[in-house]
Amino acid sequence: KAGVTQTPRYLIKTRGQQVTLSCSPISGHRSVSWYQQTPGQGLQFLFEYFSETQRNKGNFPGRFSGRQFSNSRSEMNVSTLELGDSALYLCASSLGLAGVGSGANVLTFGAGSRLTVL
Amino acid sequence: DQQVKQNSPSLSVQEGRISILNCDYTNSMFDYFLWYKKYPAEGPTFLISISSIKDKNEDGRFTVFLNKSAKHLSLHIVPSQPGDSAVYFCAAAINSGGSNYKLTFGKGTLLTVNP
Repeated sequence: KAGVTQTPRYLIKTRGQQVTLSCSPISGHRSVSWYQQTPGQGLQFLFEYFSETQRNKGNFPGRFSGRQFSNSRSEMNVSTLELGDSALYLCASSLGLAGVGSGANVLTFGAGSRLTVL
Repeated sequence: DQQVKQNSPSLSVQEGRISILNCDYTNSMFDYFLWYKKYPAEGPTFLISISSIKDKNEDGRFTVFLNKSAKHLSLHIVPSQPGDSAVYFCAAAINSGGSNYKLTFGKGTLLTVNP
């Protein structure tokens, strides 16, 4: 079955602009989590959505927002872009709420959207 | 405040030898620990996990050891293969309600296995 699909794969924006990233989870998966990966900070949790509701949130400013649609697809938006927002944004899906162990609730990641802010 | 630390940015080993990747954590409330592997241009993939009530979990060539008193875990790969060359992320999970867990990742260790 198809994996987690993220679009666009690469994009370049300038400071002050806003950006929207899209994530299509594995068919049947209802939870979508977003992470930011930078060389200096590693993988940092942004938020998790399940059944169109935000269930968990990381320590990012309000410029970072997300939403989930009824078909479980998710989007994240970053407004008023800053140079420090340049990163790889990873989306991960799981059958139920993000879990642990080796079952279907373990996160399956997409390849990411690489954002460069100039 | 970094709760999950991978102090070695990189590690190089010979094919056939053991690879040991280390991870330290500060929060004693973590319930589970996981390892993910990431190849370039791909997302991280789940490798192995361990509950905080255990001290060892094994899956084929991969074994994770947990030392709760030292707040330290390690991933052993034996024998190492060139295809194991990737970035390895350690993650710690805390229960945020029901069966939902919130993961905190380390910065990753780049493993290079030389033929």
